[in-house]
Amino acid sequence: GQQVQQSPASLVLQEGENAELQCNFSTSLNSMQWFYQRPEGSLVSLFYNPSGTKQSGRLTSTTVIKERRSSLHISSSQITDSGTYLCARGNAGAKLTFGGGTRLTVRP
Amino acid sequence: GGIITQTPKFLIGQEGQKLTLKCQQNFNHDTMYWYRQDSGKGLRLIYYSITENDLQKGDLSEGYDASREKKSSFSLTVTSAQKNEMAVFLCASSRDNANTEVFFGKGTRLTVV
Repeated sequence: GQQVQQSPASLVLQEGENAELQCNFSTSLNSMQWFYQRPEGSLVSLFYNPSGTKQSGRLTSTTVIKERRSSLHISSSQITDSGTYLCARGNAGAKLTFGGGTRLTVRP
Repeated sequence: GGIITQTPKFLIGQEGQKLTLKCQQNFNHDTMYWYRQDSGKGLRLIYYSITENDLQKGDLSEGYDASREKKSSFSLTVTSAQKNEMAVFLCASSRDNANTEVFFGKGTRLTVV
């Protein structure tokens, strides 16, 4: 079965709105990471967040191990936030299993 | 910080052709990975290498070979390109094979005609 489920699959926001992206895991979690994928395909690591809450600028990641989930909150969205957000869990080390992604579009 | 460099950025091949993708990292990381991403889908692991001269199969290794020539470089070979195949291949590295942060290169976009 699918180990990593992301929701929503796509999201359209007006500039300035907030977004909450979810990642759920079917089995227990050792580590997880959030990535931003640019339109041309390159991946940028946003958070390595095995547990707890981390913040970087307008982005906040919260991982709750017991509930096997992680969320990514984007506040005051900007047009440049558009792209695909991927979450991934670590399996037996640093090998990653990815979710299907959330495609975010921020409109002016 | 460091950087992961993938070459080429774009690769056009013909059906049946053997194609090689290259990856270099200057993080001094032990572990390196190759992932494949098909359009609109998540990434899947092809091969990884825990350390120099090590090679481990991922979930999608059939049709591929890999080589960890030295600590800083990891190459991937498509043994026989499939017609109309289109995918992005992403190289990654991490400090070690424990639960640690993984960093990615910018990808090689493959098109087979």
